[in-house]
Amino acid sequence: QVQLQESGPGLVKPSQTLSLTCNVSGGSISSGGYYWSWIRQHPGKGLEWIGYIYDSESTYYNPSLKSRVIISVDTSKNQFSLNLRSVTAADTAMYFCAREGRYRGYDSSDYWGHGTPVTVSS
Amino acid sequence: DIQMTQSPSSLSASVGDRVTITCRASQTISSYLNWYQQKPGRAPKLLIYGASILQSGVPSRFSGGGSETDFTLTISSLQPEDFATYYCQQSYITPVTFGPGTKVDI
Repeated sequence: QVQLQESGPGLVKPSQTLSLTCNVSGGSISSGGYYWSWIRQHPGKGLEWIGYIYDSESTYYNPSLKSRVIISVDTSKNQFSLNLRSVTAADTAMYFCAREGRYRGYDSSDYWGHGTPVTVSS
Repeated sequence: DIQMTQSPSSLSASVGDRVTITCRASQTISSYLNWYQQKPGRAPKLLIYGASILQSGVPSRFSGGGSETDFTLTISSLQPEDFATYYCQQSYITPVTFGPGTKVDI
């Protein structure tokens, strides 16, 4: 059973870099065939896709965040990370990591972490 | 970006009711439509992918339909554990986008 678990600081100061890690267990992140995603949810709001990494080095980011986002993989630790720079209060949200797979030709996120709350405040 | 809309934004229902939620895409997405259920303080859970394919382990009272731009999620007989917020998501093209959600409560 694949499990994902986010970790990182819950409080980040404005203009600094938000750094989160998603630890993957129950499967190898380098086995291929999956997209490792970050998704966030502002308080009381809907879901916003941040981006994903696949094949350990190929990435795609939401254009709305692209200039500030880097997603990377550490295969030796079986984890992937999110770095979001120059944060503002608008980046305060619950951050989820997820695994997206292709099943019967369709992509969907079948495994999610529990989420980690991040507040941007001085 | 493909914009996703859902209706209604919220609904009140009772146990045993048949409930239908609608999702519309701003352009055709074939059947690249997923439905997720989210309970307060929890991560979203995949219910249906490919517009109508039931995810393993999801009760058969959930069903999905539609294609191109108009989609539905139906719960045939609402159970107490189904009170939650439901999101549609298009996976046709990046950036992946979600609908604003439909809250189902008593």
